[in-house]
Amino acid sequence: GAGVSQSPSNKVTEKGKDVELRCDPISGHTALYWYRQSLGQGLEFLIYFQGNSAPDKSGLPSDRFSAERTGGSVSTLTIQRTQQEDSAVYLCASSTERGEKLFFGSGTQLSVL
Amino acid sequence: SQKIEQNSEALNIQEGKTATLTCNYTNYSPAYLQWYRQDPGRGPVFLLLIRENEKEKRKERLKVTFDTTLKQSLFHITASQPADSATYLCAPYTDKLIFGTGTRLQVFP
Repeated sequence: GAGVSQSPSNKVTEKGKDVELRCDPISGHTALYWYRQSLGQGLEFLIYFQGNSAPDKSGLPSDRFSAERTGGSVSTLTIQRTQQEDSAVYLCASSTERGEKLFFGSGTQLSVL
Repeated sequence: SQKIEQNSEALNIQEGKTATLTCNYTNYSPAYLQWYRQDPGRGPVFLLLIRENEKEKRKERLKVTFDTTLKQSLFHITASQPADSATYLCAPYTDKLIFGTGTRLQVFP
């Protein structure tokens, strides 16, 4: 597609359940990022993938969070044993150059009940 | 620790005036800095990038300055319009792209 696609757009889950969030970056973009944005807050960096290099996982808040990027394209962010404080909008972005001119998806609104 | 400060209070200005938003950062020296616009319910949209060796960058009605001595960037929108109303985020870059919390701009007719 022409832009970054994220799915689902909304996800409601029960506390303790696992969730998977998907990101389809722009074709040809080697860099992919995940951010989290809580209501009225700024963007919190989670993880960054660049080509075949080891990802920068320094922003993941706990070991319940993990992400992978298969074939250098699609990425999945997994949150295990979700907690209410995980409720937020999860944004994915991609770019051609590391850290420059990010294109964001519309995000996945995660609500943990 | 690295810190980015943007005015958390909304900036309200009249249509036609120039809006100036401030971004201050501490405890690091970014190689470049970016500004993004975010509308409610949407992801941020890239506007401008300025590198540490550039003092000023322009794009249409937008102008960004980057003062590495003051550790500050200013973002200007000239001849502002109600359609410019949004939250504006600055993002200085070192080894990763970290975003400020943004300043909400409201342009009223």
